[in-house]
Amino acid sequence: GAVVSQHPSWVICKSGTSVKIECRSLDFQATTMFWYRQFPKQSLMLMATSNEGSKATYEQGVEKDKFLINHASLTLSTLTVTSAHPEDSSFYICSARGASGYNEQFFGPGTRLTVL
Amino acid sequence: GQQLNQSPQSMFIQEGEDVSMNCTSSSIFNTWLWYKQDPGEGPVLLIALYKAGELTSNGRLTAQFGITRKDSFLNISASIPSDVGIYFCAGYQIQGAQKLVFGQGTRLTINP
Repeated sequence: GAVVSQHPSWVICKSGTSVKIECRSLDFQATTMFWYRQFPKQSLMLMATSNEGSKATYEQGVEKDKFLINHASLTLSTLTVTSAHPEDSSFYICSARGASGYNEQFFGPGTRLTVL
Repeated sequence: GQQLNQSPQSMFIQEGEDVSMNCTSSSIFNTWLWYKQDPGEGPVLLIALYKAGELTSNGRLTAQFGITRKDSFLNISASIPSDVGIYFCAGYQIQGAQKLVFGQGTRLTINP
């Protein structure tokens, strides 16, 4: 399957700081990228969908000013958690889908964010 | 948002046993995807299904796209310790935005 990388794999930050998470599709061009959040023992919750060169579409209840998403190229999307607070601590996972006719969606390894 | 009904929620089996889990929906889906997630990792795609009735295998894993397009199952034969993890079904609905809808997951535990 296609490979999606995420960096960093974990990050600890102080409350009030901003954190940027990178997501890259390594061996295919991702026309659409997705950002998910996952709480312990729960399924994945979609936060936003982004298409290369376009503004991200956020799910209801997700603050777009807090979770800034940039899909600058067909292989890179970034999620910036601005002014992070302890309640933002979570497991963030990106996913990418290519332009082929198939709907396969590939996930990154996730980023564990802990806000102190 | 809508979720798929995935069952069972958890399974405790002996090594070597076969495993079966399924997902159902009240809506029609045009794609079914099965993922496995290990602790602290992202989901890994196991099998993708695109046509009603399609039966696809990946090693000891077999999945089928239900004829009604409202369900799918995943079977694991002769389970081994590395099969431990959480299995998610996911799919795209025929109508509506092309967002992946997820099941709640099946947590598989294997007793050696």
